[in-house]
Amino acid sequence: EVQLVESGGGLVQPGGSLRLSCAGSGFTLSNYWMTWVRQAPGKGPEWVANIRQDGNEIFYVDSVRGRFTISRDNAKNSLFLQMNNLRAEDTATYYCAGGRDSRYFVSWGQGTLVTVSS
Amino acid sequence: DIQMTQSPSTLSASVGDTVTITCRASQSLSGYLAWYQQKPGKAPKLLIYKASNLESGVPSRFSGSESGTEVTLTISSLQPDDFATYYCQQYKSYPLTFGGGTKVAI
Repeated sequence: EVQLVESGGGLVQPGGSLRLSCAGSGFTLSNYWMTWVRQAPGKGPEWVANIRQDGNEIFYVDSVRGRFTISRDNAKNSLFLQMNNLRAEDTATYYCAGGRDSRYFVSWGQGTLVTVSS
Repeated sequence: DIQMTQSPSTLSASVGDTVTITCRASQSLSGYLAWYQQKPGKAPKLLIYKASNLESGVPSRFSGSESGTEVTLTISSLQPDDFATYYCQQYKSYPLTFGGGTKVAI
C-alpha cells in the first residue's frame, strides 16, 4: 500500500521556523517529482513547491520563495520543507504529494498542521 | 498566473441526480486540468487528469470535458459517497493553481 506520512507540524510564533518531513512507504520517492501542497482552514488547496527526482529543478509559489526550501533525501525515501520567517498566513495543513506527473498529484499524505500564532 | 474560477461554490443535490461543476480558466489550458474530490479531514483524491482521463479506480459516473477555457466535471447518478468538495487544478503552467471548490451537499 502506498503511504506518504508527514510530520513536523505544530504551533510556532510569527518569524519562527519549522521543518516538515514526509516519509514514503510502499512508494519510492526517488522515482517521482515530489510536491508540497497546503490548505488553510476552510480554504482550497494551494501548491507550495515541487522538486525533481534528482533535486536539481525546483519551483516555488511566489508567496514562499526565499522563506521556504524544499529538499529530498532519496536514500532515506524522504521529502522535506524547511520553513523560515513564518507568517500567520502560512497557517495551514501541509500535504506532501507525488506520482507519475510532476504537476498533478496522484498520491497524498494525510497532512500535518502548521499554526503560526503568538 | 492562470486564475481558476470555479462554480457553483455550493450545490444541493439528491442521490441519483446528475450534477455539473465548472471551472473557467483565465487562458487556454490545452487539457492540462485535474479534478479532485475531498472529504472533511482527508487529503484530496485525484479523480480526473488531462481534463477527461479517469484515474484508475474512480467510478465511471465521473467524467470531465473541456471547451475553450471552460472545463467541466460531471457526476452522473450521484451516490451517497459523492457528497464532498470538488476542486479543479490547472497544470498548464507554474504556479500550479486550484479552483475555489464546489461543495456538493444534500
